[in-house]
Amino acid sequence: AQTVTQSQPEMSVQEAETVTLSCTYDTSESDYYLFWYKQPPSRQMILVIRQEAYKQQNATENRFSVNFQKAAKSFSLKISDSQLGDAAMYFCAYRSTGGATNKLIFGTGTLLAVQP
Amino acid sequence: EAQVTQNPRYLITVTGKKLTVTCSQNMNHEYMSWYRQDPGLGLRQIYYSMNVEVTDKGDVPEGYKVSRKEKRNFPLILESPSPNQTSLYFCASSPHAGQLSNQPQHFGDGTRLSIL
Repeated sequence: AQTVTQSQPEMSVQEAETVTLSCTYDTSESDYYLFWYKQPPSRQMILVIRQEAYKQQNATENRFSVNFQKAAKSFSLKISDSQLGDAAMYFCAYRSTGGATNKLIFGTGTLLAVQP
Repeated sequence: EAQVTQNPRYLITVTGKKLTVTCSQNMNHEYMSWYRQDPGLGLRQIYYSMNVEVTDKGDVPEGYKVSRKEKRNFPLILESPSPNQTSLYFCASSPHAGQLSNQPQHFGDGTRLSIL
């Protein structure tokens, strides 16, 4: 069974600085999707970025980028030029491309604080 | 506006009193799913549905029921709620399931249930 681990329960960053959130996963599959979701205090689940395992190029979305290391099964999220609105819980998630469940397997989350 | 709508957003009730959390999506999605979010555990899948009249258990189905009589609706039913079902619940949908799905899931805004 696949698992996702986020080893940093809480992180803090100064406004305008860069922060990296770590995520590792365990799977025997060769093809899959990885996601980072942001959950602000409003509780919404907002997709931040997505990576397809067969693509070697790291995904980027504006100030958000990932460092995808397939062999190491690592999928970290880098937030550049941090803003107060980035303060949230961040979840890393895994999804198989095969099978039928479409199930997202989530890590336990990292709570990010942004200091002004 | 494309969205997944959950109701209610908050509910406080007592042990044993049947309740239903509704979920509706207006995107004609085939796949729908329920997750519960608990501190330190991330989100875990309760039930999912591949299409109308097709439902199956996720990782934590005990104490829950679902139905999928229409494509747009996927209610979560707690026949006899207990305090250990106090949690934050999310409904999610995506266009397709399994290998046809390369799209991320859309989440509702969450329902906070407290069972006393």
